Amino acid sequence: DAGITQSPRHKVTETGTPVTLRCHQTENHRYMYWYRQDPGHGLRLIHYSYGVKDTDKGEVSDGYSVSRSKTEDFLLTLESATSSQTSVYFCAISEPGQGFQPQHFGDGTRLSIL
Amino acid sequence: AQSVTQLDSQVPVFEEAPVELRCNYSSSVSVYLFWYVQYPNQGLQLLLKYLSGSTLVKGINGFEAEFNKSQTSFHLRKPSVHISDTAEYFCAVSDTAGNQFYFGTGTSLTVIP
Repeated sequence: DAGITQSPRHKVTETGTPVTLRCHQTENHRYMYWYRQDPGHGLRLIHYSYGVKDTDKGEVSDGYSVSRSKTEDFLLTLESATSSQTSVYFCAISEPGQGFQPQHFGDGTRLSIL
Repeated sequence: AQSVTQLDSQVPVFEEAPVELRCNYSSSVSVYLFWYVQYPNQGLQLLLKYLSGSTLVKGINGFEAEFNKSQTSFHLRKPSVHISDTAEYFCAVSDTAGNQFYFGTGTSLTVIP
């Protein structure tokens, strides 16, 4: 199994607070992704990264920012959390040469914003 | 842009019966197609993918899918399901340039003893 660790696994916070989710990989792969999963929507891409300090927006990026200062870590930040951002968040990576094809996923972070 | 439609949100099936999970896509360009499985409280796992070549693709856990370009479909099949196949299944599509990747909304497969 690909070594992908998401932290925290569960978090409850209040509206307006900042939240940072961490994704750590041990594979040294170039491409990393953040998705959110909501009933009736499947998985939607928030942001992705194609290398250290190289990131780009996905289809639902509003209200989120990301950073990648090291190959192994990809951080997702909600600057001021809103209830609409209550969701399950998944990090994913692609194997080399596969381009934009998420292949291995972390176990998710369940985020509740009250 | 591409999109993918999973026609059934829930599929109940008895153990050892065959199952087909339907997936249709829309695209004006050539595509790659994927099926993923998600077990409860876990991330997604890649079941199989179609990139080129044979239209019948075999994956893990006895699943297979057939790419039908004329019907723009990529249905997932298994001839005999087990209780352990109970999970959420996602179809996905990407363009061959590797610039876009979209998931369907998922099909919840429940295997009944």
